[in-house]
Amino acid sequence: AQSVTQLDSHVSVSEGTPVLLRCNYSSSYSPSLFWYVQHPNKGLQLLLKYTSAATLVKGINGFEAEFKKSETSFHLTKPSAHMSDAAEYFCVVSDSGGGKLIFGQGTELSVKP
Amino acid sequence: DTAVSQTPKYLVTQMGNDKSIKCEQNLGHDTMYWYKQDSKKFLKIMFSYNNKELIINETVPNRFSPKSPDKAHLNLHINSLELGDSAVYFCASSQVRTGGVTEAFFGQGTRLTVV
Repeated sequence: AQSVTQLDSHVSVSEGTPVLLRCNYSSSYSPSLFWYVQHPNKGLQLLLKYTSAATLVKGINGFEAEFKKSETSFHLTKPSAHMSDAAEYFCVVSDSGGGKLIFGQGTELSVKP
Repeated sequence: DTAVSQTPKYLVTQMGNDKSIKCEQNLGHDTMYWYKQDSKKFLKIMFSYNNKELIINETVPNRFSPKSPDKAHLNLHINSLELGDSAVYFCASSQVRTGGVTEAFFGQGTRLTVV
């Protein structure tokens, strides 16, 4: 069965410094992986997706993620944090049947001025 | 022009009542979902419909009944509401393809509070 584990429940960075949100996945086949962001009291917005075309995936708002099969990881990074990046981030894997999405536990990103 | 819209955004009701949440998507997707987000922000799928047919039903109490009148709509009816049903419910849609799935588009959520 597919699963994802987000290694940090909370990450705090200063504005202008790099962001790293860690995610490991478990899948018996080549997975489809996503990162979603949820701002307070808002819905979920897709940041980026991996579907085996390229291991380095670029998303919106300067975020990117690298798929590393040998490490079963899909970490999310951004070179320079902005105050507006403060939100909850979810690493997600797609199940093979019916398009079901399996969510990680979420990582809350705080950005200090 | 909202892609996935759900109503109402907030719902406060007493225990034992019956309530419905509506969802509509204008993306032309063939698959729609209901997800539940608990107080710890954990998201888990409840139901999935593909072209009006139920394809995923994840150990959800019988008090929850989804209904899909057409592939653009998926409603959620909840009978005999309990305190533990308080959560944020998200509707989503996607296009399921052979060999993979597109990303899901989510509505803004319905915050249900049972008192």
